Amino acid sequence: DIVMTQSPDSLAVSLGERATINCKSSQSVLYSSNNKNYLGWYQQKPGQPPKKLIYWASTRESGVPDRISGSGSGTDFTLTISSLQAEDVAVYYCQQYYTTSWTFGQGTKVEIK
Amino acid sequence: EVQLVESGGGLVQPGGSLRLSCAASGLTFSTCSMNWVRQAPGKGLEWVSYISSTSITIYYAESVKGRFTISRDNAKNSLYLQMNSLRDEDTAVYYCATSGGDYWGQGTLVTVSS
Repeated sequence: DIVMTQSPDSLAVSLGERATINCKSSQSVLYSSNNKNYLGWYQQKPGQPPKKLIYWASTRESGVPDRISGSGSGTDFTLTISSLQAEDVAVYYCQQYYTTSWTFGQGTKVEIK
Repeated sequence: EVQLVESGGGLVQPGGSLRLSCAASGLTFSTCSMNWVRQAPGKGLEWVSYISSTSITIYYAESVKGRFTISRDNAKNSLYLQMNSLRDEDTAVYYCATSGGDYWGQGTLVTVSS
């Protein structure tokens, strides 16, 4: 299985400031035939199912605000919230779908400082 | 509007069985590969099982292999998870989700406890 490791486990950021979450995979999730990274990011708020924010490592889902962005390739990825808003308080997960047996990072809890 | 609605969760004793269902609407279910994903209380997300649109391809997490069976009925727009030999560590909210991760149900809680 591909192991996904996120850092940090939690972070507290002031409103309007930048939040950065890192995700590292135990093997590359870059598929050479199409040059796509099979990496997604999800946001989960209490009592709700996960919501997909980003796919192909950097493509925003429709309706996701442009303050949220994804970057990286191969084994190292980053989710950035450029200006934290109150509604961004949640747990964020990276996920690989390079294999049909998805694996997720352990989650990063984002709070307001 | 796409809707995935899970049902069938509840309290069951260790060693018992439970069958979860996921009713799909608003999408062409018969063309969608589907997954079950679970989340233990206060924990992260764990993929459980995958089934292709025609049921030809099926995968399980090692933690449930031999105990859980995924199936679907495209005529009924429904996905199932038969869970046998349940253990305490199977306690979780179980979500069904499309293969692209675009759509998730609200989840159904399975509690394994004596």
